[in-house]
Formats: sequence, structure tokens, C-alpha cells
Amino acid sequence: DAGVTQSPTHLIKTRGQQVTLRCSPKSGHDTVSWYQQALGQGPQFIFQYYEEEERQRGNFPDRFSGHQFPNYSSELNVNALLLGDSALYLCASSPLATSSYNEQFFGPGTRLTVL
Amino acid sequence: GQNIDQPTEMTATEGAIVQINCTYQTSGFNGLFWYQQHAGEAPTFLSYNVLDGLEEKGRFSSFLSRSKGYSYLLLKELQMKDSASYLCAVDSNYQLIWGAGTKLIIKP
Repeated sequence: DAGVTQSPTHLIKTRGQQVTLRCSPKSGHDTVSWYQQALGQGPQFIFQYYEEEERQRGNFPDRFSGHQFPNYSSELNVNALLLGDSALYLCASSPLATSSYNEQFFGPGTRLTVL
Repeated sequence: GQNIDQPTEMTATEGAIVQINCTYQTSGFNGLFWYQQHAGEAPTFLSYNVLDGLEEKGRFSSFLSRSKGYSYLLLKELQMKDSASYLCAVDSNYQLIWGAGTKLIIKP
């Protein structure tokens, strides 16, 4: 079982650019959540995808958008990058439809640096 | 608003016991999680509480009081590898709300 995978591992961009991060969920999981984790902080919920639709959204601007594909993999897109977008971006998957509780399994994350 | 509070940092001695507290105020409650996160790595699941009381899992135990909005994680027989951040998270209407984490430093 491959677990949750994310790509790329590290990424450096400049202000104003756009970035796409990718996530493949754990086998058997159909729900993907994205989090932003600044250094020394807990993860902040960005949004959650289920059945290819955004199911929940945290307090993030429209510059943050996402997509879920029929195979349950997901992308996070960030437009017009700001310095403050520098963070670890975590993807988590969960078997929402079949689980009694929302245990989430995290990928290794993508470290985004905006210069 | 939604708020989760936990101490920023704690120090303990190898072989000892440590209790990490978490208090929360959230609009919904579907359970409380504790995760461990080593520096530069992803969080890993430790425990889940949805009913009041103590859940024991080896060296780790977690307690919940819903009426007080309070939980703690108890770590026994501390080992050097337990040096990490411990994150408290509340499932509020299927959205995980996270504390900032408690950095636990273990000294020999």
C-alpha cells in the first residue's frame, strides 16, 4: 500500500507566479483534504474534495483552488503567489464514505518557498 | 469563532511521564484527535476520542471531557524518539481545526 503521495517535494517560485501541487490518496480513500502549515504552526484547513466536488472550504481566498479527478487524486492550485504563501502544503486522505470517524492520513507534504 | 489552545513547549526527562493539555471552543464536535509530528515530516495519527473518558494505547493515553472542552495526551516511559510536536485537532462538522502544537523536548 503506497499511502498518500505528494509531488513535488520542494518548490521555489517568485511572487505573482502560479503553482500546482499534486496528491494521490491512500488506496481505498475517496476524500482528499488540503492544509497549509506555516513554520511553528498547526495545519490550516484549505478545502476538502469528495466525489470530485469541493465539500468544505476554510478561510482561504479564491487564489486557492483545487480539483479532484475520477481516480480520487487531487490538485491544489495557487495563483498570484504572495510571500506569505510560503509554507508546507499537506494533503490528507480519508475514507469518509465508509469510516465511522474522520481519521486522516497525511502525505509527506510539499515545501513551497515564494521569493 | 473556533479556537484550540495548547502549550507551546514542554520539557520532560527520558523515562518520565508527561501530560499535554488541550482546550477547545468549536462550533461543532465530531471528535478530537491527537497527532504527532516530527520536524519536517507529516503528522501521524495517535488517538481519537469522541466520548468522555480515557483511551489507552500502549504508552500513550488520551482523555476527553466534552463538557469542559478539554483533552489531554499522556505519554509514559518517555523515549528520546518521542521528541516531536503534538497536535490537538477537533473534527468540527467534518473539518479538522488544529491547535498550533506543543513541542515536546526530551532530556536524557
